[in-house]
Amino acid sequence: DTAVSQTPKYLVTQMGNDKSIKCEQNLGHDTMYWYKQDSKKFLKIMFSYNNKELIINETVPNRFSPKSPDKAHFNLHINSLELGDSAVYFCASSQGWTGDQPQHFGDGTRLSIL
Amino acid sequence: DAKTTQPPSMDCAEGRAANLPCNHSTISGNEYVYWYRQIHSQGPQYIIHGLKNNETNEMASLIITEDRKSSTLILPHATLRDTAVYYCIVRPYNNNDMRFGAGTRLTVKP
Repeated sequence: DTAVSQTPKYLVTQMGNDKSIKCEQNLGHDTMYWYKQDSKKFLKIMFSYNNKELIINETVPNRFSPKSPDKAHFNLHINSLELGDSAVYFCASSQGWTGDQPQHFGDGTRLSIL
Repeated sequence: DAKTTQPPSMDCAEGRAANLPCNHSTISGNEYVYWYRQIHSQGPQYIIHGLKNNETNEMASLIITEDRKSSTLILPHATLRDTAVYYCIVRPYNNNDMRFGAGTRLTVKP
């Protein structure tokens, strides 16, 4: 009964490739997020999406693009992968995006660039 | 640029209460205090949150000082499975900005 699930769990690929990470939530939430956790273990928000409104963290390169085919899915596409993209990527969801609504996280996708 | 300060590490004996402190002296009136934890190789797990009042759920209790400048997360009977990094986060009401700092690495020992 995983609430927020991500696939794949591990992704190993070469520099320059394009890859996607899928995220699905079965909590009925209307807001979804992508976070990046770097090698120093700091978690930083990348994208928030609610009711067709996308908020982008200004530090995220435009090689990263999220897509939401429906409310339950929020997939992350990455073009022209670079070494610095190696990290763990977490998807999360919440009911609404106000500060009183907890975000619930998936178990992450570990991306390694060779 | 997290708005909270936490000790980098703490130990706790199994079966005892774990009290994790957090300082958030610049908190604003519309900002919530959240606690998450991350067990190795898993995603952050929501524990509890509060605005002004103390809160309790099946996992933990959150004690917020009257001036709201600090809080304490209490795990009443710590088990080995509670070993994790615990994050205290201050989050505004009017947006979804949730900034994780370095957290406190709690080690529960037998």
